[in-house]
Amino acid sequence: DTGVSQNPRHKITKRGQNVTFRCDPISEHNRLYWYRQTLGQGPEFLTYFQNEAQLEKSRLLSDRFSAERPKGSFSTLEIQRTEQGDSAMYLCASSHWDTNTEAFFGQGTRLTVV
Amino acid sequence: KQEVTQIPAALSVPEGENLVLNCSFTDSAIYNLQWFRQDPGKGLTSLLLIQSSQREQTSGRLNASLDKSSGRSTLYIAASQPGDSATYLCAVRITQGGSEKLVFGKGTKLTVNP
Repeated sequence: DTGVSQNPRHKITKRGQNVTFRCDPISEHNRLYWYRQTLGQGPEFLTYFQNEAQLEKSRLLSDRFSAERPKGSFSTLEIQRTEQGDSAMYLCASSHWDTNTEAFFGQGTRLTVV
Repeated sequence: KQEVTQIPAALSVPEGENLVLNCSFTDSAIYNLQWFRQDPGKGLTSLLLIQSSQREQTSGRLNASLDKSSGRSTLYIAASQPGDSATYLCAVRITQGGSEKLVFGKGTKLTVNP
């Protein structure tokens, strides 16, 4: 088990372009979360999956953001028509079905919109 | 709405000192509380998980306490080392209407000086 894996680690894109990030959770973890973190702030919740079902989407996520988790395995987060305000670290975490267990985070994807 | 506050925002200590980081939350209806460490530009590393029914957890030089009724947790670091320099984040796990998430504080940036 290699932990939560996120790709790419860094992404630089021009304003208006679409980007997609991938998260591979720890195997057998059915809970998956996406967070966004800006400099000097704590991670902010974006969305939550239980298996393949997206159970919550934060109001922080505009219509330009979409996340999927087909077959309850890996997840993708897509941002359409990127804006400079989207520049941030995007973090993925997973945890076991048992709520009383730890959440484990990946190394994040650093997005810079120029 | 659950809010998590961490005090102080930054702390600088000489090597060898014992120190305490504070975390408070506004709603005591939590499943558990987790402390994380984050190095610059990296993801989050889980340090300790305390269940809502527990009062304390220990791992090596780290000891975390939880007083759920007063909405407080502390992370005690004994005999600090320069390698402990990082940002420490606390997060509470909450559930709402079938969904769940971790709610984070903004973190305490710790610098341990040799």
